[in-house]
Amino acid sequence: EDKVVQSPLSLVVHEGDTVTLNCSYEVTNFRSLLWYKQEKKAPTFLFMLTSSGIEKKSGRLSSILDKKELFSILNITATQTGDSAIYLCAADFGNEKLTFGTGTRLTIIP
Amino acid sequence: KAGVTQTPRYLIKTRGQQVTLSCSPISGHRSVSWYQQTPGQGLQFLFEYFSETQRNKGNFPGRFSGRQFSNSRSEMNVSTLELGDSALYLCASSPSAGPLGTEAFFGQGTRLTVV
Repeated sequence: EDKVVQSPLSLVVHEGDTVTLNCSYEVTNFRSLLWYKQEKKAPTFLFMLTSSGIEKKSGRLSSILDKKELFSILNITATQTGDSAIYLCAADFGNEKLTFGTGTRLTIIP
Repeated sequence: KAGVTQTPRYLIKTRGQQVTLSCSPISGHRSVSWYQQTPGQGLQFLFEYFSETQRNKGNFPGRFSGRQFSNSRSEMNVSTLELGDSALYLCASSPSAGPLGTEAFFGQGTRLTVV
């Protein structure tokens, strides 16, 4: 069964801390992995990863995929209160749709 | 360029009723995908429409249906509402068919509460 598991479910850190969010998946016909940020309602696209070991970076956010160990991480350095959101990971298993994890709720305390 | 527009934003319905939600995609986008988001289950795929045809369907009962019009606007309908249908319903528009990629955008969602 196509499955995406995110951890932790929730995380509370202080402003300025660095956080690492995890996403693991099952291998069946894996094609790509996507990360989204959901602040209120609409998830917004962050990264798409298809190749193992190649880091994608945007400002303080970065992500990497390990296709051998079947996981991806999303790193956020020097966190700010505006980073508070639900972070969603989704995988394309070649079945014409994305399979989402349940998300990690990140709260940044000023 | 206008974003993805979902209406209504909030809806309260009674068990047994039916509901219709609307999604207007970004101009030029021909694919609309629908997702249900609940706290315990995350985002679950409902269906995708492309050029007025349903391309793919998730594991939801037949009470959930949808359609797409020639202007790419899409509606989803839920009949005989159950308490468990309470959720945030999100649609995403994309220029091409298939799984959401880098050019897909989500709407703000419709929050449905069934009482």
